[in-house]
Amino acid sequence: DAMVIQNPRYQVTQFGKPVTLSCSQTLNHNVMYWYQQKSSQAPKLLFHYYDKDFNNEADTPDNFQSRRPNTSFCFLDIRSPGLGDAAMYLCATSRATHKGGNQPQHFGDGTRLSIL
Amino acid sequence: EDQVTQSPEALRLQEGESSSLNCSYTVSGLRGLFWYRQDPGKGPEFLFTLYSAGEEKEKERLKATLTKKESFLHITAPKPEDSATYLCAVQAHSGGYQKVTFGTGTKLQVIP
Repeated sequence: DAMVIQNPRYQVTQFGKPVTLSCSQTLNHNVMYWYQQKSSQAPKLLFHYYDKDFNNEADTPDNFQSRRPNTSFCFLDIRSPGLGDAAMYLCATSRATHKGGNQPQHFGDGTRLSIL
Repeated sequence: EDQVTQSPEALRLQEGESSSLNCSYTVSGLRGLFWYRQDPGKGPEFLFTLYSAGEEKEKERLKATLTKKESFLHITAPKPEDSATYLCAVQAHSGGYQKVTFGTGTKLQVIP
């Protein structure tokens, strides 16, 4: 089945130690998103790629970076994690044929990040 | 700024007791409203997309409706397996291309 896969499901890192989360998709969708979700809160969009076009949300901290080496893979890099970065990180994809499309997003099951 | 408000925050129903969840939104130029279901420790699972006022979509015990200011997710004769958090999200012209704004969800518990 076509899907969005996130690895690892659980990640523990130390305060200030860089960490990378990965996402892969077999849906061949051209848009990929990274969200941060804390307990009982709405998913908060960090950034998204429309093909190779990177779009950063204005309030996304500089500590968060992303890479999309090809259509299928996208990475979230947290350069110096702080205690406040402990959360579930969700990757999502959607198909868009033009800017501003309204196709639903398909989500992976997330990576739960803990900071020691 | 696009805003999405869901109510109630939590809802507890007896099995078979029908009810509705509300999603009210303030956006400039709605492109689409989405409903998702999220189980604990999982990513959101897509349920419905609604594009214009008056539109309705149904799937098993769920029915979603849309007006110009809000959407309802009606649950008819719910079962325990319907227990989950239900998220509403909107995509709007003012949000920039591809941006979707989520509400905080309604946590539904269905008691056998």
